[in-house]
Amino acid sequence: DGGITQSPKYLFRKEGQNVTLSCEQNLNHDAMYWYRQDPGQGLRLIYYSQIVNDFQKGDIAEGYSVSREKKESFPLTVTSAQKNPTAFYLCASSTLGTSGVSYEQYFGPGTRLTVT
Amino acid sequence: AQSVAQPEDQVNVAEGNPLTVKCTYSVSGNPYLFWYVQYPNRGLQFLLKYITGDNLVKGSYGFEAEFNKSQTSFHLKKPSALVSDSALYFCAVRDMGSGTYKYIFGTGTRLKVLA
Repeated sequence: DGGITQSPKYLFRKEGQNVTLSCEQNLNHDAMYWYRQDPGQGLRLIYYSQIVNDFQKGDIAEGYSVSREKKESFPLTVTSAQKNPTAFYLCASSTLGTSGVSYEQYFGPGTRLTVT
Repeated sequence: AQSVAQPEDQVNVAEGNPLTVKCTYSVSGNPYLFWYVQYPNRGLQFLLKYITGDNLVKGSYGFEAEFNKSQTSFHLKKPSALVSDSALYFCAVRDMGSGTYKYIFGTGTRLKVLA
């Protein structure tokens, strides 16, 4: 089956601990994205990456870090510097056309992170 | 600045009736427009997109949307709603004039189809 996997589905951490969320895709997509979803706020972009070893900050990158060492993997680390880390985190990927244009995004099932 | 507005937090419709979920956008260049659906505690599923061509686009599960450039709108429609259509719907846009690979999402509209 082709798709995007995120693990774990639920994650609990104590305040002050860093935590890494996994995102893997076997769709051979070039672009990958991390979003945060809070009730009533829609999706907010944390980081995105177009190619391996390159990524850009989104609108709410503070307190988060990413890496893109392999095309199929884009892990997100939520650091202790993130003030309100409890949220639903979604990973997505998309193709890039011959002119660099990307089309619809494919989303993983999400990871719900709770920090207490 | 790029933006997407979904003016209704919730839309209620009776089963069998037509439904409309509204979306308006603001971009500097040509828009690529998308609709997604989300069920509880799940990721988003792609429904349909407008890239170019015919202003009326058809998508999954009987949904369609009409691109209206003059009104900068991309409303989602379905002729006959099902209870199983109840979910959270997101409109998204990518500004082709921005030079980035970012997508902007609306805040979502919760659709409730009443039996």
